[in-house]
Amino acid sequence: GIQVEQSPPDLILQEGANSTLRCNFSDSVNNLQWFHQNPWGQLINLFYIPSGTKQNGRLSATTVATERYSLLYISSSQTTDSGVYFCAGGDKLVFGAGTILRVKS
Amino acid sequence: DTGVSQDPRHKITKRGQNVTFRCDPISEHNRLYWYRQTLGQGPEFLTYFQNEAQLEKSRLLSDRFSAERPKGSFSTLEIQRTEQGDSAMYLCASRQTGSGNTIYFGEGSWLTVV
Repeated sequence: GIQVEQSPPDLILQEGANSTLRCNFSDSVNNLQWFHQNPWGQLINLFYIPSGTKQNGRLSATTVATERYSLLYISSSQTTDSGVYFCAGGDKLVFGAGTILRVKS
Repeated sequence: DTGVSQDPRHKITKRGQNVTFRCDPISEHNRLYWYRQTLGQGPEFLTYFQNEAQLEKSRLLSDRFSAERPKGSFSTLEIQRTEQGDSAMYLCASRQTGSGNTIYFGEGSWLTVV
């Protein structure tokens, strides 16, 4: 089955800093999505992005489907951005292990 | 509230007991998914439905687990003869195929087996 690798596993930022999270897939995937899991466990869909680039406020995502990776950019980070970021893809949505982000004030 | 809802949110049960979780997807969503998540891990696929048809069940899912979606609306996930290793958060999600493919998750049902 599809393998999903996320990097980095942990990231600590000072408030206001920018960051890039990466997601690599072992095979071509459809249905690629990014999620943020808050401290209460709720998974919030950030982007559906099988290819190309999308932006939503301070967040943007780029997927290069031919090279089987996707990037999530967070600009001007805020403490409320803290949590775990997951990418997932495929019909069944196979998830990576996540990136734990901590933003310090 | 038009989001995905799950019930109960928390369940503590003794080993060997049966438990059932319910998921109400977003209205009109034809796909419904169940996942399991343990601490420090990403959600793990269990099974999914297209309307009332169960399309796939993970090989990781033992025969103690069963899921149904009898009328293509809400779904139930039952765990029989619970074991301590079943302790996890069980997540339900739904989406409408062919309509942006964005998937929406419920808040999850936390299970603790003691």
